[in-house]
Amino acid sequence: QVRLQESGPGLVKPSETLSLICTVSGGSTRGYYWSWVRQSPEKGLEWIAYIYNSVTTNYNPSLKSRVAISVDASKNQLSLKLSSVTAADTAVYYCARHGAVSLPQGGYYYNMDVWGKGTTVTVSS
Amino acid sequence: DIVMTQSPLSLPVTPGEPASISCRSSQSLLHRNGYNYLEWYLLKPGQTPQLLIYMSSNRPSGVPDRFSGSGSGTDFTLKISRVEAEDVGVYYCMQALQTPRTFGQGTNVEIK
Repeated sequence: QVRLQESGPGLVKPSETLSLICTVSGGSTRGYYWSWVRQSPEKGLEWIAYIYNSVTTNYNPSLKSRVAISVDASKNQLSLKLSSVTAADTAVYYCARHGAVSLPQGGYYYNMDVWGKGTTVTVSS
Repeated sequence: DIVMTQSPLSLPVTPGEPASISCRSSQSLLHRNGYNYLEWYLLKPGQTPQLLIYMSSNRPSGVPDRFSGSGSGTDFTLKISRVEAEDVGVYYCMQALQTPRTFGQGTNVEIK
C-alpha cells in the first residue's frame, strides 16, 4: 500500500523560501503524476502544481513565479519550494499521487487517489 | 480558471438520513471523450484526504456505496444515502478538465 508523508519546517519567516519533502513508501515515484495541494482557512483547497517523471511540470499560474517542484526517483521523494512567502502562504500542504484509470476507448483518466496527511506551515516572524 | 461553486457550505445532518451536496462549474466539464471531469474529496482533520468520486459518478474501490455522484456538464451532485457519524468532515468538488485544477469552497458536514 502506497503511503505519502510530507515533512518540513512548521514555521517559515516572511520573504524566505518554504521547502517541503514528500516521501513515498510502498511504491515508486516513477510512472506517476504527483501533485502538491494546500488548504488554508481563507482559500480552502488550492492546487499548486504537478510533476511527471521529472520531465513534465504544470504550475498554478497564481503561484508559478514562486514555485518549483521536483522528483528524486532514487530517494522516492518529491520536493516543493515556494519562495518569497507571506502570511497568505500559511496552510496545510499535501502531496498526492495521481492514479491512472484506463478508459474503454483508450487513454487514461488521472485522479488524486492517494494523499499524505499533510504538514502545517505557518509563515510568521 | 474554471470556478467551482458548492452549496450548501454548511450541512447539519442526522445519522441515518440522506444528504446531498451540489457543485456547479463555470464551464462544462464534459471532455470530448464523453466523460465529465469532476471529482469529490473528503477532508477530515488530521486524516488523509480521501477521493470519493471521479468522473462524476465513479466510486473508487474501498469507498462505501452509500456515496454516489451524478451530474453532467456544469451541474453535479454528491449524495450520501444514509449518513453515518464517520462521514463528518469537509467535502470538496474539484474539476479535473483543465489546469489549474480548481476546487469548490467546501461543504462542512456535521452531525446535528
